[in-house]
Amino acid sequence: GAVVSQHPSRVICKSGTSVKIECRSLDFQATTMFWYRQFPKQSLMLMATSNEGSKATYEQGVEKDKFLINHASLTLSTLTVTSAHPEDSSFYICSARDTGESGNTIYFGEGSWLTVV
Amino acid sequence: GDSVTQMEGPVTLSEEAFLTINCTYTATGYPSLFWYVQYPGEGLQLLLKATKADDKGSNKGFEATYRKETTSFHLEKGSVQVSDSAVYFCALRGFNKFYFGSGTKLNVKP
Repeated sequence: GAVVSQHPSRVICKSGTSVKIECRSLDFQATTMFWYRQFPKQSLMLMATSNEGSKATYEQGVEKDKFLINHASLTLSTLTVTSAHPEDSSFYICSARDTGESGNTIYFGEGSWLTVV
Repeated sequence: GDSVTQMEGPVTLSEEAFLTINCTYTATGYPSLFWYVQYPGEGLQLLLKATKADDKGSNKGFEATYRKETTSFHLEKGSVQVSDSAVYFCALRGFNKFYFGSGTKLNVKP
């Protein structure tokens, strides 16, 4: 079964509103989680690295104030898309690093489809 | 920097045909290599992986061999099924970051 869960799997929001996506590690504690974005017919691009208890590290070109990342606990990271616009419509997927018995394995969530109308 | 290049799709095959999806990489050090599959409307699923040169990853009839000399990790399957229709991503892991190829869409017709 899934070891990393994302919620919601699909969300539609109005332009100008904010939407939050959650990423949870179910069977392990994850000090580090990652957020990716997939544009239509393109590959996944890393947006940011989320570190528990500290600020996220954003990749070049990703707006920190638009894509707010919070990693408040060892099992939860959230991505908030603020003041969403239609061009933010995309597939967002998280991953979490398990450094336990599995030996530094990274698991991906199921992804979240965001549509901004 | 690290990067992955994979063949563009879509690839359309008849059921039971042989599949090859090419993937080459550029990396510093010795990364782990992966193939992920994304079925329509779903997230990423790990298909197979290889962690060092000459390793062969295999799963569900798919295979890929980590070739350091050619910096390649081509995905193969001897006989594809309609249910294999999906987008396939080649990826490498550099420390904690994943670098993905652009994805190859596979359409298998009955």
